[in-house]
Amino acid sequence: EAEVAQSPRYKITEKSQAVAFWCDPISGHATLYWYRQILGQGPELLVQFQDESVVDDSQLPKDRFSAERLKGVDSTLKIQPAELGDSAMYLCASSLPGTGRGYEQYFGPGTRLTVT
Amino acid sequence: DQQVKQNSPSLSVQEGRISILNCDYTNSMFDYFLWYKKYPAEGPTFLISISSIKDKNEDGRFTVFLNKSAKHLSLHIVPSQPGDSAVYFCAASRHYGGSQGNLIFGKGTKLSVKP
Repeated sequence: EAEVAQSPRYKITEKSQAVAFWCDPISGHATLYWYRQILGQGPELLVQFQDESVVDDSQLPKDRFSAERLKGVDSTLKIQPAELGDSAMYLCASSLPGTGRGYEQYFGPGTRLTVT
Repeated sequence: DQQVKQNSPSLSVQEGRISILNCDYTNSMFDYFLWYKKYPAEGPTFLISISSIKDKNEDGRFTVFLNKSAKHLSLHIVPSQPGDSAVYFCAASRHYGGSQGNLIFGKGTKLSVKP
């Protein structure tokens, strides 16, 4: 069964350092999402791509976060510099575009980030 | 302001009995609702969904009910099994223009099924 791949699974970094996460969506899924989940909360959208274009990055803290999906396939999310409040689970999801089944997003295993 | 609310942080049921997880929403523009299941240290797994034009969708042991007038949906698991123990997230989405909307999640309900 096709899955969303993410790496690394765990990352510990010091405050003010740079950190990057990678995501490879399910083959053929044109829409890719990055979510952040803080403990005890539901996931919250950071950025949404349709192919290589950003559809929604209204909740992305652009002073320190950046995301790209250059060839419309895999994607990278970067934080520079990392802050203590960035400690969270970073989840990538993908979906087929369109009505109905396009709403079903499939998530990767996530990257657990700890900023010290 | 939370648009999707799961007011019960936790629920404990006996194996074999019914589990009912509830979810309320405030945005009447939502047109699709989903339930996800999440184990610790893993990403959410899609469970079941329902379109706003329906009031019920069933898949094996899982049934989702939607009451649009009350802006309420529920997930029924019958019979409950110990392997169902996980955090369950309710999520909602809407289409606007030609774009597919992102998912708005509730805070989750931790289900514990006791043998």
